[in-house]
Amino acid sequence: RKEVEQDPGPFNVPEGATVAFNCTYSNSASQSFFWYRQDCRKEPKLLMSVYSSGNEDGRFTAQLNRASQYISLLIRDSKLSDSATYLCVVNWAGNEKLTFGTGTRLTIIP
Amino acid sequence: GAGVSQSPSNKVTEKGKDVELRCDPISGHTALYWYRQRLGQGLEFLIYFQGNSAPDKSGLPSDRFSAERTGESVSTLTIQRTQQEDSAVYLCASRFRDRSSYEQYFGPGTRLTVT
Repeated sequence: RKEVEQDPGPFNVPEGATVAFNCTYSNSASQSFFWYRQDCRKEPKLLMSVYSSGNEDGRFTAQLNRASQYISLLIRDSKLSDSATYLCVVNWAGNEKLTFGTGTRLTIIP
Repeated sequence: GAGVSQSPSNKVTEKGKDVELRCDPISGHTALYWYRQRLGQGLEFLIYFQGNSAPDKSGLPSDRFSAERTGESVSTLTIQRTQQEDSAVYLCASRFRDRSSYEQYFGPGTRLTVT
């Protein structure tokens, strides 16, 4: 089983729609959680951290369920510029490295 | 301010040759990381530096891979006797190692193609 698993997609969503991605992780000692965004042939960039109580940043909402070991990302009122690959990222307690999922590819259709 | 920079941006080499990839982290960032991303796959951790020391080398795939960091700044990843399976984008990241954030800032990567 992969340490971080995501549905690879692709998700093709009309502009203005709401889209949600889930991610599961296998290590219960995981401590910090993130969503990164990666545009085609570009480096990953932090989209948002994920906190236990859930958090929102504009049109983006992230949720964490420690009991079920999954993380979600919700994008409301999607824009063409949201087209990218979304990477679920986990950091284990006491470990410096980030563990990445393979990413979920999103395309927003005009 | 300047972000993480990497050079070269692209490298094509013949199987069996050695290559060196360079990373310049953000100034003042004490932690530096190397990752590899093969086509269509997620990022794989290679090595982590704190200052000039590498407390975690667990991701280096074989003894053909090595890395060093000097002056708590520039890092070089060296791949000896390259193989076709080494073809990938090699990404460097850095962060200021405090307790408040684990965010890592990535460079644009070096795209390595072994022919």
